[in-house]
Amino acid sequence: DIQMTQSPSSLSASVGDRVTITCRASQGISNYLAWFQQKPGKAPKSLIYGASSLQGGVPSRFSGSGSGTDFTLTISSLQPEDFATYYCQQYNSYPMYTFGQGTKLEIK
Amino acid sequence: EVRLVESGGGLVQPGGSLTLSCAASGFTFSSYAMSWVRQAPGEGLDWVSAISSTGGTTYYADSVKGRFTVSRDNSKNALYLQLNSLRAEDTAVYYCATRSSGSGKRPLDYWGQGTLVTVSS
Repeated sequence: DIQMTQSPSSLSASVGDRVTITCRASQGISNYLAWFQQKPGKAPKSLIYGASSLQGGVPSRFSGSGSGTDFTLTISSLQPEDFATYYCQQYNSYPMYTFGQGTKLEIK
Repeated sequence: EVRLVESGGGLVQPGGSLTLSCAASGFTFSSYAMSWVRQAPGEGLDWVSAISSTGGTTYYADSVKGRFTVSRDNSKNALYLQLNSLRAEDTAVYYCATRSSGSGKRPLDYWGQGTLVTVSS
């Protein structure tokens, strides 16, 4: 089974900061990597698929990169609405999926 | 607009059973694989099960294999998850989710609002 490891597990930052979250796969997954944002009490929202393609309606301050085993999600200038928990998801083993353990982004 | 609405959650005793349902609309349900994902209180997302578009192939996480059964009724645009031999660690919000259109592998782009299952005596 493919394991996904995210880091850090939590992160404190300020509005306007640039932040980066990392996701590592236990084996190569090509670019079959997605990123999700989840706010308390809500379902996850898809942000990025194919490691770097933005879903429609997602602000351009979000970007993704990587291929193989190492991936990053970058938010170029944090906005108040971006404070949430972020998850990576591999879908190389579609329709079986694996999620990272999550990164909680908090206001400093 | 894709819409997924889960139902059937509730309080159940350890060892008990429950059946969750997911009503789908806004897309050609019979064309897409469907998944269940759960999230224990305060924890991360955990993929549970998937079923192919025809229902002919099913997939399970090791943690639920032999206890949970996924099924679908394409005539009713409905997805089901039967939960048997429930344990305290199965307590979670259960989400129904699916991919978007297009060929090949896709992530879970669409999610329902979830239904809470609580396993407790």
